[in-house]
Amino acid sequence: EAGVVQSPRYKIIEKKQPVAFWCNPISGHNTLYWYRQNLGQGPELLIRYENEEAVDDSQLPKDRFSAERLKGVDSTLKIQPAELGDSAVYLCASSLERVQYFGPGTRLTVT
Amino acid sequence: GNSVTQMEGPVTLSEEAFLTINCTYTATGYPSLFWYVQYPGEGLQLLLKATKADDKGSNKGFEATYRKETTSFHLEKGSVQVSDSAVYFCALEIKAAGNKLTFGGGTRVLVKP
Repeated sequence: EAGVVQSPRYKIIEKKQPVAFWCNPISGHNTLYWYRQNLGQGPELLIRYENEEAVDDSQLPKDRFSAERLKGVDSTLKIQPAELGDSAVYLCASSLERVQYFGPGTRLTVT
Repeated sequence: GNSVTQMEGPVTLSEEAFLTINCTYTATGYPSLFWYVQYPGEGLQLLLKATKADDKGSNKGFEATYRKETTSFHLEKGSVQVSDSAVYFCALEIKAAGNKLTFGGGTRVLVKP
């Protein structure tokens, strides 16, 4: 069974540029999460989807971050414009029966 | 609020040594507890979990017991291998909070041959 797929794995952009990350969860997993992991820290939840509905986006900085999961399967997280402090690893996870499975992450560097 | 505190690393050990990583938590509600591991260059993987007090989670020689009285979930392994070198994250989840995982800061473990 394929795991959670994320792309790209690495991204380097200049500040004020837009960037987008893509995630394809494990087949059959209705719940999808986006986390941000700063260097040397644990992941922090940005947004959680149940199917196509964002049920918890309280930690998502809505002035510059947006996310969508239009058909309740894959998802895109966007930052526009990016700031230096957005440099981090962005993790996607999907869950079944309360166990979350994580993708490899996208490492974003904003210069 | 909910929070997880882990011992800071890095923890450096010799092969076959005993490993303990301390984890304590505060939670509003009755959490499930998890240990995740992140090997170099890879994503987070679930190592073990426990969903109620006195449960013991175990996997790959690692163990952790859910201690409600001390709000702890310490990770132990009796004989580490070089391949256990990784970053270990303790986490809690409250079902009433939508299964949101709250992670500790991670503990880097380096096992030398």
